[in-house]
Amino acid sequence: EAGVAQSPRYKIIEKRQSVAFWCNPISGHATLYWYQQILGQGPKLLIQFQNNGVVDDSQLPKDRFSAERLKGVDSTLKIQPAKLEDSAVYLCASLPAYTGELFFGEGSRLTVL
Amino acid sequence: DAKTTQPNSMESNEEEPVHLPCNHSTISGTDYIHWYRQLPSQGPEYVIHGLTSNVNNRMASLAIAEDRKSSTLILHRATLRDAAVYYCILRDGNYNQGGKLIFGQGTELSVKP
Repeated sequence: EAGVAQSPRYKIIEKRQSVAFWCNPISGHATLYWYQQILGQGPKLLIQFQNNGVVDDSQLPKDRFSAERLKGVDSTLKIQPAKLEDSAVYLCASLPAYTGELFFGEGSRLTVL
Repeated sequence: DAKTTQPNSMESNEEEPVHLPCNHSTISGTDYIHWYRQLPSQGPEYVIHGLTSNVNNRMASLAIAEDRKSSTLILHRATLRDAAVYYCILRDGNYNQGGKLIFGQGTELSVKP
């Protein structure tokens, strides 16, 4: 079974530039999450999708972050404009219906200079 | 969201058992106890979860206190590949809404040869 795919694995940008991350969850997984993990901390939930609808985006800084999940499959997370404090690993996870195990991708590491 | 308390770090010797404690005194009746671990430069991976009874799987065992206010993840024989950050997470049992995972700081486990 293919895992959660994320790209790019690494991205370096300057502050005020924009960046986008892509996630392809495991086939058939209805729920998709984006997490932000700053070095030395646990992952922090940014947004949760159920199919193509947003369930929880209360922790998403909406002035600069946006996310979408068109057609309820893959998803993109965008940051515009980026700030230094956005340097982190962005993790995507998916959940099959009716089971408790989340499957995480390897993450996209962002460095903002 | 219910909170968990874990030691920041623990050390173990290779091939010895490891007991990772977790306190969750404010757990509610519908909260499941989940454990995930994160190896260096990887996304978190599921280890085990339980509600009231002790649980065993190929990776580990989960011992849950009778009052459910604490639990212990048991690795029966630590290997060098078990060196990781281990997260104890309480998760709402409402899977129909894709119960989100709220991560804390976790316990960084180091394994000495």
